[in-house]
Amino acid sequence: DTEVTQTPKHLVMGMTNKKSLKCEQHMGHRAMYWYKQKAKKPPELMFVYSYEKLSINESVPSRFSPECPNSSLLNLHLHALQPEDSALYLCASVLNTEAFFGQGTRLTVV
Amino acid sequence: AQSVTQLGSHVSVSEGALVLLRCNYSSSVPPYLFWYVQYPNQGLQLLLKYTTGATLVKGINGFEAEFKKSETSFHLTKPSAHMSDAAEYFCAVSERGGSYIPTFGRGTSLIVHP
Repeated sequence: DTEVTQTPKHLVMGMTNKKSLKCEQHMGHRAMYWYKQKAKKPPELMFVYSYEKLSINESVPSRFSPECPNSSLLNLHLHALQPEDSALYLCASVLNTEAFFGQGTRLTVV
Repeated sequence: AQSVTQLGSHVSVSEGALVLLRCNYSSSVPPYLFWYVQYPNQGLQLLLKYTTGATLVKGINGFEAEFKKSETSFHLTKPSAHMSDAAEYFCAVSERGGSYIPTFGRGTSLIVHP
């Protein structure tokens, strides 16, 4: 199984809502990342988890809160987002120089 | 610090023609090098990577790339374009001996005309 599964595929939320994005992999990888991708732009790194511990936070606003409950699961909790946070959110798990990406969650903040 | 430059935000070719997408990197030590493809509203799929060994790397879907240290380049080629190759292509680097975090170029949109 070389899949990284992200749910939901699409999400529309209001600026006062609280929602969560989920990422799951069963490849035994111990490093998982969140990226944000705006239209026509490359992915930008947000967070890195290594062995379930947050190792990198690229100065992401606190309205994004990551969580890694176990080695297979990565969550991104969202609260009080702004319209400019609308983007494709990608999860990746990494092993031996190779990053495996999920299909992403298309987030729209209204 | 390492960085990657992709020349040309758009490349347009005819079906059956050669595809050439350019990528140059900047790093004090040659990094790991990758090419990813992204179809509309989808995630990224690894086409090929160079870590060590043979400098000509073959990937999926008939693509290949050559690592040229003297030119700090890792250009992506395919002898004959197919309509299904139309997508966004990202060159990426990650630090050798580091935590394998890909840093992406700005992307090149490949357009294939019938």
